[in-house]
Amino acid sequence: SQQGEEDPQALSIQEGENATMNCSYKTSINNLQWYRQNSGRGLVHLILIRSNEREKHSGRLRVTLDTSKKSSSLLITASRAADTASYFCATDWSQKLVFGQGTRLTINP
Amino acid sequence: DSGVTQTPKHLITATGQRVTLRCSPRSGDLSVYWYQQSLDQGLQFLIQYYNGEERAKGNILERFSAQQFPDLHSELNLSSLELGDSALYFCASSVAGADQPQHFGDGTRLSIL
Repeated sequence: SQQGEEDPQALSIQEGENATMNCSYKTSINNLQWYRQNSGRGLVHLILIRSNEREKHSGRLRVTLDTSKKSSSLLITASRAADTASYFCATDWSQKLVFGQGTRLTINP
Repeated sequence: DSGVTQTPKHLITATGQRVTLRCSPRSGDLSVYWYQQSLDQGLQFLIQYYNGEERAKGNILERFSAQQFPDLHSELNLSSLELGDSALYFCASSVAGADQPQHFGDGTRLSIL
């Protein structure tokens, strides 16, 4: 399966700390995307990184991509309570976007 | 607000019935995607339409069908419903293909009794 796998499945940290989530995938990709999902809501696109890019930033988000290891990481710096959500990586494969199972992030006040 | 509108938000029906879920994509987006999200299966891609034509197919059951109309809105039809079809159904849209960010609606929660 091309499906990405996030690690860890769940992460609980204190407000202000940094959160790191990892994603591994199995086959070659053109790009990798990260999405956030608040409970009961639709997914929100966070960042897209192409296969020829190694790092990308957006506000407090930093995404890295290592195509040799078929892995990506999402770093959220200076976490806030509002960052509590599930985070998914998604890879494009055969004209489809395939999502991992997600990391459930909880930010404790 | 993603700009993607899904109706209805909630749907409760019985086994064996048929329902239609509706999606209006973000203005300017030509592609519409349908996903099913359940606790045990996660987020599963069902089908994609681009400018009225089927572009890609995922794990969509034969009991399910979809179409995209000339005004680009899309409908997902689910028939002969089973208990296992209970899930959140999301519609997403993008300008073109799967290599671009997708914008999700807030979903239709389908409950089969």
